[in-house]
Amino acid sequence: DIQMTQSPSSLSASVGDRVTITCRASQDIDNYLAWFQQKPGKAPKSLIYAASSLQSGVPSKFSGSGSGTDFTLTISILQPEDFATYYCLQYKTPPFTFGPGTKVDIK
Amino acid sequence: EVQLAESGGGLVQPGGSLRLSCAGSGFTVNSNYMSWVRQAPGKGLESVSVIFSGGSTDYADSVKGRFTISRDNSRNTLYLQMNSLRAEDTAVYYCASSGSGPFDYWGQGTLVTVSS
Repeated sequence: DIQMTQSPSSLSASVGDRVTITCRASQDIDNYLAWFQQKPGKAPKSLIYAASSLQSGVPSKFSGSGSGTDFTLTISILQPEDFATYYCLQYKTPPFTFGPGTKVDIK
Repeated sequence: EVQLAESGGGLVQPGGSLRLSCAGSGFTVNSNYMSWVRQAPGKGLESVSVIFSGGSTDYADSVKGRFTISRDNSRNTLYLQMNSLRAEDTAVYYCASSGSGPFDYWGQGTLVTVSS
């Protein structure tokens, strides 16, 4: 199975900050990488697919990049509603696998 | 509008069985690939099983041989049959459907608790 890692596991940031989260795959997954946002008690929400394609309705402050094994999610200007946990997912090869998550909280 | 609604969760004893259902609306369950994703209390997300539009399936190693994913096109419903349940299967189970991406649409989740 393909293993996914994320860094950092958590971070504290302030409103207005630029935040970058990194995701790494244990083998080449081309651009079969998605990002999700989850708030407590809620289902995850899809933000980005195919490494850099923004889901419909997701604000452009979110962006993704990368291919192969290394990927990043960037939030350009952090807003209060962005404090959440973020997961990456590889869907190149089943079983699809998530990263362990990055919790973004308020500094 | 695509909507997914899970049901069938509850309390079950170790070794028991449970069948989860996920009713779809606004799309047909065999037009996309659909998955079950679980989240144990305080933990991250785990993709448990997937069924592709052609009918092929795949499972996480943690549930292989115990869980079976299926769908009923006439009912537009996805299922997860869970047998030989263990305490570590305790989680909120979500169904998810692909769209442009792999898990574009999610249900609200159903809680499965395995305990004596």
